[in-house]
Amino acid sequence: AQSVTQLDSQVPVFEEAPVELRCNYSSSVSVYLFWYVQYPNQGLQLLLKYLSGSTLVKGINGFEAEFNKSQTSFHLRKPSVHISDTAEYFCAVTKGGSARQLTFGSGTQLTVLP
Amino acid sequence: GAVVSQHPSRVICKSGTSVKIECRSLDFQATTMFWYRQFPKQSLMLMATSNEGSKATYEQGVEKDKFLINHASLTLSTLTVTSAHPEDSSFYICSAPYMNTEAFFGQGTRLTVV
Repeated sequence: AQSVTQLDSQVPVFEEAPVELRCNYSSSVSVYLFWYVQYPNQGLQLLLKYLSGSTLVKGINGFEAEFNKSQTSFHLRKPSVHISDTAEYFCAVTKGGSARQLTFGSGTQLTVLP
Repeated sequence: GAVVSQHPSRVICKSGTSVKIECRSLDFQATTMFWYRQFPKQSLMLMATSNEGSKATYEQGVEKDKFLINHASLTLSTLTVTSAHPEDSSFYICSAPYMNTEAFFGQGTRLTVV
């Protein structure tokens, strides 16, 4: 079985500052990794995903993440955040080869301050 | 891109009544859909897997008779909360896997039982 740990439940950051949201996973098999964003009272929107290949993945809204197999991490980064990036961010993992049943982390609330 | 539509987005019902939530894949077929429940400030918890043409698979601790799932076609799954009580108030989200490489989520349904 897979599991996901998001180390920070809340991350406040000032506008235009860089941000990193941390995600670690555990699995005995190869995995697919995802980052989703959730705005209040809405569903989840895919930011980016790692399936295979290049370990640096670029997503929407200027976000990127790096898959580090040795550290079992998939941290999300953005060099300069905007107020509109304020939202809940979820890291998720599924068994490699099938993005069907996702296991989610506990989420990180990113709050961008003016 | 692929879209999953969930309806209604918000519903208020009286205690003891039943509520039906629909989840549709708009431009792709989904033989499997997933239903999640999300409590405030928490992550998504998988409730059940909806299978087209067969019975749903429920996670441990989820009452089958309380949360009825019907996957009537390749594009529609419904979740019916029967005899709803205030403790059933929550945010319910569906998802459908797409091309085995990602999952698309509905917009979510905020259920309030009064």
